[in-house]
Amino acid sequence: QKEVEQDPGPLSVPEGAIVSLNCTYSNSAFQYFMWYRQYSRKGPELLMYTYSSGNKEDGRFTAQVDKSSKYISLFIRDSQPSDSATYLCAMSITSGGSYIPTFGRGTSLIVHP
Amino acid sequence: NAGVTQTPKFRVLKTGQSMTLLCAQDMNHEYMYWYRQDPGMGLRLIHYSVGEGTTAKGEVPDGYNVSRLKKQNFLLGLESAAPSQTSVYFCASRGVSSYNEQFFGPGTRLTVL
Repeated sequence: QKEVEQDPGPLSVPEGAIVSLNCTYSNSAFQYFMWYRQYSRKGPELLMYTYSSGNKEDGRFTAQVDKSSKYISLFIRDSQPSDSATYLCAMSITSGGSYIPTFGRGTSLIVHP
Repeated sequence: NAGVTQTPKFRVLKTGQSMTLLCAQDMNHEYMYWYRQDPGMGLRLIHYSVGEGTTAKGEVPDGYNVSRLKKQNFLLGLESAAPSQTSVYFCASRGVSSYNEQFFGPGTRLTVL
């Protein structure tokens, strides 16, 4: 079993839908939780990160962490075709020094007009 | 700022050939990383560096070597390429104050025949 599990999809939704992307993990020591967005044939770019449990909102994006269930989510409101990409979750025990995040496999999202 | 750049963008090798992938960053970042990304496997860490002159093994280091002679450059070498090394290779960097954000390059698509 991988430390971080993420359904690869693809997840196909109509424009304007609310999208929910999820990851589960097994290592309870993870404290930092990141979401990266990767467009086709590009490198990943950081979308959001949260520390420990709780919610964080940035425009149409909300990241949620439930440490008791070892479950994290990324919600996208009013999804747009430009949101079509692969979304990778990543987690880390520390934020400094030998920072080595563990990545999920990524979920492919397709938002069709 | 160019950010993180990778050379070359594409390469086709024959089994047994050698090559070096170059990663350069102009953000004065301390930390640099080499990943490979394969379908369904997510990002897997090959080697990383926490500073000039230092390197360390990641999750999948076999068949690869690295060097960090200058702070801005991180080289990934394949001494004797194998078809199993066909992949997309991403370099990333992170600054001391970047906390959880890694900055990724555009990737190098390598095919080993």
